[in-house]
Amino acid sequence: GIQVEQSPPDLILQEGANSTLRCNFSDSVNNLQWFHQNPWGQLINLFYIPSGTKQNGRLSATTVATERYSLLYISSSQTTDSGVYFCAVGPYGGATNKLIFGTGTLLAVQP
Amino acid sequence: EPEVTQTPSHQVTQMGQEVILRCVPISNHLYFYWYRQILGQKVEFLVSFYNNEISEKSEIFDDQFSVERPDGSNFTLKIRSTKLEDSAMYFCASSEHPRGPREAFFGQGTRLTVV
Repeated sequence: GIQVEQSPPDLILQEGANSTLRCNFSDSVNNLQWFHQNPWGQLINLFYIPSGTKQNGRLSATTVATERYSLLYISSSQTTDSGVYFCAVGPYGGATNKLIFGTGTLLAVQP
Repeated sequence: EPEVTQTPSHQVTQMGQEVILRCVPISNHLYFYWYRQILGQKVEFLVSFYNNEISEKSEIFDDQFSVERPDGSNFTLKIRSTKLEDSAMYFCASSEHPRGPREAFFGQGTRLTVV
């Protein structure tokens, strides 16, 4: 099945710093989503981005489907950005819209 | 904004007992899912449900598990004879028709602890 790898696995930032999280996937996809899992365990939708670029405030994301990767940019990080960031993909041609999750990037933003 | 809601938020059960986790998907969505996340691990797909039947299930979703849409709004996951290793966060999700946007929306999760 499709493999989803995220890097880096862990990241520590000072408040105000910028960061880039990467998601590589091993096969064609028709869905790609970025999530933030907060300290209470909730999965918060950040982006639905099977291709192209989107921006939402301090966050933006780019997916290059032909090269099988996606990037999540966090600018001017805040302590509330701390948590785990997951990339999840939907395999192209799949019978359903199921998502395959990566192992996540654990982000800690220090004041 | 429409959202997926799950109940209860936490459940503690004795090993061997049956549990039912409940979800109310977004009203105009037609695909429903259950995912599981064991503490410290990634989120894993369990099952998808469309048109009142299971459309896909993972190897994890064995005979111990079942899903049901008992009425027009609820979607449930039943775990029979729970085991210690069933302790996890269980997420329900929904998405629109497969020919529409494929974005999945997740509930806040039910944390299941088997003791």
